[in-house]
Amino acid sequence: RKEVEQDPGPFNVPEGATVAFNCTYSNSASQSFFWYRQDCRKEPKLLMSVYSSGNEDGRFTAQLNRASQYISLLIRDSKLSDSATYLCVVSYSSASKIIFGSGTRLSIRP
Amino acid sequence: DTGVSQDPRHKITKRGQNVTFRCDPISEHNRLYWYRQTLGQGPEFLTYFQNEAQLEKSRLLSDRFSAERPKGSFSTLEIQRTEQGDSAMYLCASSPMTGIGYEQYFGPGTRLTVT
Repeated sequence: RKEVEQDPGPFNVPEGATVAFNCTYSNSASQSFFWYRQDCRKEPKLLMSVYSSGNEDGRFTAQLNRASQYISLLIRDSKLSDSATYLCVVSYSSASKIIFGSGTRLSIRP
Repeated sequence: DTGVSQDPRHKITKRGQNVTFRCDPISEHNRLYWYRQTLGQGPEFLTYFQNEAQLEKSRLLSDRFSAERPKGSFSTLEIQRTEQGDSAMYLCASSPMTGIGYEQYFGPGTRLTVT
């Protein structure tokens, strides 16, 4: 079992829709959680950190469920420009324990 | 531009040759990381520096790979005797000493093709 697992997608949704995807992690000692966005053939870019209490940044909401060991990302009123791969990142104890998921591909159609 | 920069952006080499990549992190960032990413996968950790000290190295990293950060600023990653399996995107990231967890900022990457 992978340490961090994501549904690879693709999620294909119409513009304006709400879309959500999860990321599960296996190590209960995980301490920090992030969502990154990666456009095709570009570098990952930090989208948001995920706090225990959940956090929101504009149309994006991230949640952490420690009991079930998953984090989620919700995108409201999706835009064409949201089309990208979304990488979940989980870290614990040290730099080498920064684990990236394989990403979820999201495609927004007009 | 004050972001992370990497050079070269693309490198094509023949099997058996040595290659060296450079990373310039964000100037005030003490932490520097190297990752490798192949198609359809997330970045895979290679090594980590805090200032000039190489503190961690992936056990997946063979002895053909070496990295340095001699003055705690830029870093180089060298691959000796390249193999076709080394073809990948090599990403560098940096992060500040303070801040939440390991919030990282990535460079544009060096795409290596070994023929």
